[in-house]
Amino acid sequence: NAGVMQNPRHLVRRRGQEARLRCSPVKGHSHVYWYRQLPEEGLKFMVYLQKENIIDESGMPKERFSAEFPKEGPSILRIQQVVRGDSAAYFCASSPSGSDTEAFFGQGTRLTVV
Amino acid sequence: AQSVSQHNHHVILSEAASLELGCNYSYGGTVNLFWYVQYPGQHLQLLLKYFSGDPLVKGIKGFEAEFIKSKFSFNLRKPSVQWSDTAEYFCAAGPRGTYKYIFGTGTRLKVLA
Repeated sequence: NAGVMQNPRHLVRRRGQEARLRCSPVKGHSHVYWYRQLPEEGLKFMVYLQKENIIDESGMPKERFSAEFPKEGPSILRIQQVVRGDSAAYFCASSPSGSDTEAFFGQGTRLTVV
Repeated sequence: AQSVSQHNHHVILSEAASLELGCNYSYGGTVNLFWYVQYPGQHLQLLLKYFSGDPLVKGIKGFEAEFIKSKFSFNLRKPSVQWSDTAEYFCAAGPRGTYKYIFGTGTRLKVLA
């Protein structure tokens, strides 16, 4: 019963480096969402993807952040030239359809920028 | 702007005490509502959800929530908590037909044995 798998669980990067966060959705789910949780805040929507398509990236910072969900392989959230303010927990979720359904979450990746 | 408010950030209870965690949302239309729980070191798990129908929703592990439309609330309840309920609880809401849910800031519950 494989749920949403995220790796790595913890990632430490120096300022200016790149961070790559991976997410494998529940088998059969083609809808993937990324959320970010800053300290003492709730989860904030970043981006919604279906296979090979970005549906909604309205919650993603305009610069340095990108996401993809290729035909084969996991979804990737990429943060270029990380800054201290990027330190957060990044959660991936998947669902079998795109609306009116629950999302299944991964354990998250905790990114620390030093 | 749409928002979800969880009133209690930290709650400490003794075992067998009753629990009620508040959740209010700001959205005038039809909403989908959720409570998720995150046990230490684990992923968020769905406790219960409300889409339509009976406003009193039963979830897993003895939890329930009541949707009160007039109060824009979806409070989580459990009559008797256990030590194993120690976790962080998140309320989430979104308009019907959406995929973009708004989460509250979470409530950390600690149950003392």
